[in-house]
Amino acid sequence: DAGVIQSPRHEVTEMGQEVTLRCKPISGHNSLFWYRQTMMRGLELLIYFNNNVPIDDSGMPEDRFSAKMPNASFSTLKIQPSEPRDSAVYFCASSFKGTRTYEQYFGPGTRLTVT
Amino acid sequence: AQKVTQAQTEISVVEKEDVTLDCVYETRDTTYYLFWYKQPPSGELVFLIRRNSFDEQNEISGRYSWNFQKSTSSFNFTITASQVVDSAVYFCALSSTQGGSEKLVFGKGTKLTVNP
Repeated sequence: DAGVIQSPRHEVTEMGQEVTLRCKPISGHNSLFWYRQTMMRGLELLIYFNNNVPIDDSGMPEDRFSAKMPNASFSTLKIQPSEPRDSAVYFCASSFKGTRTYEQYFGPGTRLTVT
Repeated sequence: AQKVTQAQTEISVVEKEDVTLDCVYETRDTTYYLFWYKQPPSGELVFLIRRNSFDEQNEISGRYSWNFQKSTSSFNFTITASQVVDSAVYFCALSSTQGGSEKLVFGKGTKLTVNP
């Protein structure tokens, strides 16, 4: 079975440009998570969706960040305008939420560099 | 507030040694889940184990074992007879089920280096 798919794997952009990261969760999973990993702050949850609805976006840094999940098999994380401090690895993860909590499976990540 | 502390930033061992990675957590919830993930040098995050707060039985999977003790709020991970391929950053994480939340709180990670 295919795991979580993320694209692109690497993105280099200039400050001020718009960046869009994409994620396809594992088929059958109904929760999707966006994380950011940096040396300074470690792994941080940015936002998560359940059944395509945003549940907790308290980790989204500021209005420059937005995320959407138009259907069960696709999500985007957009940064507009991008800044050098947004440079990080962005992970997407998915899980199945039923009556109990299940583990999250992570994609390979997108390494974003903003110059 | 929930918190996960991995006090060991880096550990270096020689192949075939046993090594224990410590994880201490804080939560006020009575129902919660604990996890361990592995992040090898290639960068992906690999799920290793999930344990719920009502199951304090230790678990063994091959060379890996986990010791969950609610009395000390710890969920330690031991690798027996370590191998070079075990070199990675290991993360402990906590999820509270309060309010149906699935939010995972990660520790800062422990970087394990296994030398040949």
